[in-house]
Amino acid sequence: AQSVTQPDIHITVSEGASLELRCNYSYGATPYLFWYVQSPGQGLQLLLKYFSGDTLVQGIKGFEAEFKRSQSSFNLRKPSVHWSDAAEYFCAVGHNAGNMLTFGGGTRLMVKP
Amino acid sequence: DGGITQSPKYLFRKEGQNVTLSCEQNLNHDAMYWYRQDPGQGLRLIYYSQIVNDFQKGDIAEGYSVSREKKESFPLTVTSAQKNPTAFYLCASTLTGVSVETQYFGPGTRLLVL
Repeated sequence: AQSVTQPDIHITVSEGASLELRCNYSYGATPYLFWYVQSPGQGLQLLLKYFSGDTLVQGIKGFEAEFKRSQSSFNLRKPSVHWSDAAEYFCAVGHNAGNMLTFGGGTRLMVKP
Repeated sequence: DGGITQSPKYLFRKEGQNVTLSCEQNLNHDAMYWYRQDPGQGLRLIYYSQIVNDFQKGDIAEGYSVSREKKESFPLTVTSAQKNPTAFYLCASTLTGVSVETQYFGPGTRLLVL
């Protein structure tokens, strides 16, 4: 069965610092991978996705993620964090049966001024 | 503007009461989904529907029911059988339910028990 692990429940970074959020997945076939962001009390917004092709994927708000098959990882990165990036971030893997998504537990990002 | 609306934003349930959460989309999407979100557990799938008049149980369907009489609407009923209903409920949709696509989410409904 597919699963997604986000090892870091909370991360705090200073504004302007770089950011990397970790995501590891378990899936038997070629994965379809997503990163979503959720502001408090809101729905989820898609940041980026990987289906195939270039393993470095660019998304909105200056985020990027790299798919590494050998490490079963899809880590999210941003070179310089802004205070408005404070939110919860979810990694998800998609599987074809009914377009299901399996989500990780989320990482809550706090940004220090 | 196209999108997904959920109402109400907050909902209070008394013991033994059934409550219904609304989800409407004007994206002309075929497939719709209901998730439950609890702190630290990510999102868990309750029910999904790939087409009108058809729906399937997800991972945690017990204590919930749905209907899909119209393409744009997918209401979720939290029944009295759901003993721990306090959570944030999210509705999502995709263009089709056939292959993996981006899921678009509504703003959510927070359900609290009185």
